[in-house]
Amino acid sequence: KAGVTQTPRYLIKTRGQQVTLSCSPISGHRSVSWYQQTPGQGLQFLFEYFSETQRNKGNFPGRFSGRQFSNSRSEMNVSTLELGDSALYLCASSLDQVRGTSGANVLTFGAGSRLTVL
Amino acid sequence: DQQVKQNSPSLSVQEGRISILNCDYTNSMFDYFLWYKKYPAEGPTFLISISSIKDKNEDGRFTVFLNKSAKHLSLHIVPSQPGDSAVYFCAASAWGNEKLTFGTGTRLTIIP
Repeated sequence: KAGVTQTPRYLIKTRGQQVTLSCSPISGHRSVSWYQQTPGQGLQFLFEYFSETQRNKGNFPGRFSGRQFSNSRSEMNVSTLELGDSALYLCASSLDQVRGTSGANVLTFGAGSRLTVL
Repeated sequence: DQQVKQNSPSLSVQEGRISILNCDYTNSMFDYFLWYKKYPAEGPTFLISISSIKDKNEDGRFTVFLNKSAKHLSLHIVPSQPGDSAVYFCAASAWGNEKLTFGTGTRLTIIP
């Protein structure tokens, strides 16, 4: 079973540019979440999509946006890049955000897209 | 406001000994807790979880303890092995708001 695939793995942009990151979830997983990881800040929740609808949103500015397609694939976009946007962006998928019998909302993460803003 | 805190950025433990990683939380609505492990250049992988109705959950060498009154959980790894060297994140979720809130991570190094 293929895991969560994120592309591109690495990219370099300059301030003011925009970037689009892509995520293909595990087959059958309908929920896709995005997290930003920076040194000392852990994983910060960006947003979560289910059935093409944003169901949850973190405390990030409107420059950060996302969408989900009918095949559950997701993209996130960051416009007007700032130096502070340099980070590892992680996508995670799960069967459904509603807890199963195990009680855990277990996310399966991709390897991430490392963005460097110069 | 960091609702999930891992106050030790790093921890070194001798191979074969017990590793204890700690996590504190402030949000009393959290009722489910998870630990993830992350190797460099890879995404975090799920390790073990615990519901607030329990105070202990074991899976092989890994045991998670929950102290609700202290809002504290810990992960015990016994015995520690070199392959356990990684960054460990604790995470929490609240019923009705299923997003995971992560701590800042603890880098565990197992010394051979």
